[in-house]
Amino acid sequence: AQSVTQLGSHVSVSEGALVLLRCNYSSSVPPYLFWYVQYPNQGLQLLLKYTSAATLVKGINGFEAEFKKSETSFHLTKPSAHMSDAAEYFCAVNFGSNYKLTFGKGTLLTVNP
Amino acid sequence: DTGVSQNPRHKITKRGQNVTFRCDPISEHNRLYWYRQTLGQGPEFLTYFQNEAQLEKSRLLSDRFSAERPKGSFSTLEIQRTEQGDSAMYLCASSFDRLAAVRDEQYFGPGTRLTVT
Repeated sequence: AQSVTQLGSHVSVSEGALVLLRCNYSSSVPPYLFWYVQYPNQGLQLLLKYTSAATLVKGINGFEAEFKKSETSFHLTKPSAHMSDAAEYFCAVNFGSNYKLTFGKGTLLTVNP
Repeated sequence: DTGVSQNPRHKITKRGQNVTFRCDPISEHNRLYWYRQTLGQGPEFLTYFQNEAQLEKSRLLSDRFSAERPKGSFSTLEIQRTEQGDSAMYLCASSFDRLAAVRDEQYFGPGTRLTVT
């Protein structure tokens, strides 16, 4: 079955610390993977996407993600957290058949001063 | 490029009433999607359009839900006889379909928050 799992519904880090948000997927076909960020009462903003060109993908606001096929993972990282990074982050997957995105349940990132 | 817009941003209605939401996609985008997001969950796919044609509907869409995209421009999502379980954020997204490339990203609007009392 095709699915997306985000481990950890809530991650808390100190300002300046490493951010690591986890995403694993299950797919029988090569997936296309995305990370979106959602600030309170707003829509989703695309951070980055993996489309099979390069396994390490750089996005906006200093975020990057690495596609690891052997681990079926697409974890999101940022070397140094900023207060403005506090938001909810969603991993999304297009399983290649019909264009819809399947989202994980989201991870709420809290950044402490 | 003004982005995807949705109206209204908030809607409070009584159970049993009908509601309609509007989405205006990015002007050159030919694909338009509707998602529903409930509290603590990621968005769930409802339906999408390629120009004016509705190509797929999720099983989440009961016969109380209908969506249209006349002339392939803006879209409306109507919910008839609303129920409390319909309370959610309704998100619209659009994308440009380049030769059926599934990797094209979807751009989301700010959403319409529906509260059914």
